Formats: sequence, C-alpha cells, structure tokens
Amino acid sequence: DGGITQSPKYLFRKEGQNVTLSCEQNLNHDAMYWYRQDPGQGLRLIYYSQIVNDFQKGDIAEGYSVSREKKESFPLTVTSAQKNPTAFYLCASTPGWGRSNQPQHFGDGTRLSIL
Amino acid sequence: GESVGLHLPTLSVQEGDNSIINCAYSNSASDYFIWYKQESGKGPQFIIDIRSNMDKRQGQRVTVLLNKTVKHLSLQIAATQPGDSAVYFCAENSLRGYQKVTFGIGTKLQVIP
Repeated sequence: DGGITQSPKYLFRKEGQNVTLSCEQNLNHDAMYWYRQDPGQGLRLIYYSQIVNDFQKGDIAEGYSVSREKKESFPLTVTSAQKNPTAFYLCASTPGWGRSNQPQHFGDGTRLSIL
Repeated sequence: GESVGLHLPTLSVQEGDNSIINCAYSNSASDYFIWYKQESGKGPQFIIDIRSNMDKRQGQRVTVLLNKTVKHLSLQIAATQPGDSAVYFCAENSLRGYQKVTFGIGTKLQVIP
C-alpha cells in the first residue's frame, strides 16, 4: 500500500543538538509538507516543497531546515536555533501543486522531546 | 485574520447516537473544505471533503454540511461507534500563491459504550 512513512516515531534532542526527522512517500506525489502540532493549536506549516529541488518557508520556519533532493524524500532538520522544539511533527503530501481541491495525505508523525 | 475554529473542544456521545461536530471559518475566499480524523499517536486521516459550490455531501455514515452564508461547516456521524473516538479537524483550503491549508484546533469525540 502506498503511503507516507515518518521515522523515528519518538526522538529526543539534547541541548545544542540538531536532529533530523525522516519523511518518505511512495505515492508519487509532487508536493510535500511539514507541520508542527502543539496541544490546543491547529497544525502549523513549517516548510513545503512543490517539486524536487524546490522548497519554501511556511508560517513557522525559523529554527528548521529542509531539503528535497529526491521526489520521495523530504527530511526536516530541527536545529539548535529552535528553542521550543517539543512537539508532534507531521509530514504530508499531495499529488500536485496549485490545485485547491486535494486532501493531504499524512504520515503518523514523530514526537520530539527535549532531554 | 483568517482562521478555522471549532465550537466544541470535547463531545461525548452514546454509542449508536448521531454525532455532530461543528466548525467555523472566516476566509470567504476558501473554496474547499476537508474533515480529518486523528487517533491518538497517529497522523490525520481524510474523512470527507466538500467544495464551495456544494452545500452537502454524504459518505459512508458521514455527512458534511457547508453553510457559506454564515461560514459554518459541520460533520455528522451516524450511529456513532467506539471506533469513531478520535480528534476531528476541519480544514480550510484556499489558493494564495500556494496551496494554503488552515486547520482548526480539533474536537475530541468520546463515544460512551
């Protein structure tokens, strides 16, 4: 079955450390997204990528970085500059870009905590 | 500003009863709306969607109603089952230079056996 795989499921970050969250999809989707989920808040967009080798900042990109070297992969790095990284991180994808009538397909998330 | 919100953060219903989850949105330019279900520790799953040129859409045991006049969206679940217990999000989708999706905070549905 096609889908989005996020790993690891749980991740712990030490002070001053960068950590990378993996997101892989086998849906052949062009567009991919990273969201952060905090209690009592809706999902907030960190970064998105319309196509391979292209990505754009979302609403809360500070302290995060991404790459899109392959269509199926969109890893997110949480840098030491992100002072409040504890959250549930969700990766999503859509088949194409520029159409507003596509639901997003989500992975099962990575929960990041501070040691 | 633009926002998508939910009227009830927690909803408890008896098994077998119908559930209604409500959502208000503020962006009149939104043209596509989606309901997602999120179980604990998992990512959101698509349930049903509706375009702004419709006011009702039915799926299996679920119905979405859209009232553009008052910017209101609702999800109705018929014969609610224990497996329906989850957090439900509405999402508003509009094109603003990129495919912008705004999510509500979610309503937790608790089904009482």
